[in-house]
Amino acid sequence: DSGVTQTPKHLITATGQRVTLRCSPRSGDLSVYWYQQSLDQGLQFLIQYYNGEERAKGNILERFSAQQFPDLHSELNLSSLELGDSALYFCASSAGLSGNTIYFGEGSWLTVV
Amino acid sequence: AQSVTQPDIHITVSEGASLELRCNYSYGATPYLFWYVQSPGQGLQLLLKYFSGDTLVQGIKGFEAEFKRSQSSFNLRKPSVHWSDAAEYFCAVGPGGSQGNLIFGKGTKLSVKP
Repeated sequence: DSGVTQTPKHLITATGQRVTLRCSPRSGDLSVYWYQQSLDQGLQFLIQYYNGEERAKGNILERFSAQQFPDLHSELNLSSLELGDSALYFCASSAGLSGNTIYFGEGSWLTVV
Repeated sequence: AQSVTQPDIHITVSEGASLELRCNYSYGATPYLFWYVQSPGQGLQLLLKYFSGDTLVQGIKGFEAEFKRSQSSFNLRKPSVHWSDAAEYFCAVGPGGSQGNLIFGKGTKLSVKP
């Protein structure tokens, strides 16, 4: 158990819908990262938040957004969903901004039908 | 552009045999390099990492990796594979000294024969 908690574990939704994935980082960790793992794209870094502020952006679509709240939990919002958004979405956390090992949650499986 | 290549999609080895998983990277400066393992239904777990210094890095679960700058490689090795090592293995590079904003390879799935 990495200490990173993600909910829901599984989610099935229809195209065009919007979903929110939630992540609770390890106790004391200030950075939260979101990754997408899909069959065709593999593992891709989406976005990083540190202590409530966006710090790095990867291959995140404009339809996707994230935020980190004062209690340090984070949410990834996916809207106007397409079939190709079906993937495993990982959250990871670390203590600092960039120089610490990151710890991954078990992921949220999203299936878009 | 920065990239990580894992040439082998799937490898099968016999239990007790040695293992080497290949990883090549493309990065302008000395990268931070990582190996992660993903068991079915689990998140990714860090096996080992290389930043600088000794090019042979020891990790958890008996794994080691060797950084070879001349070959832009960071291959993962284990002298004797156990059935519990069956999983998917990912090599990653951390641009700019980051340990979090990682670029991952496509992964190598390891199967272990009894």
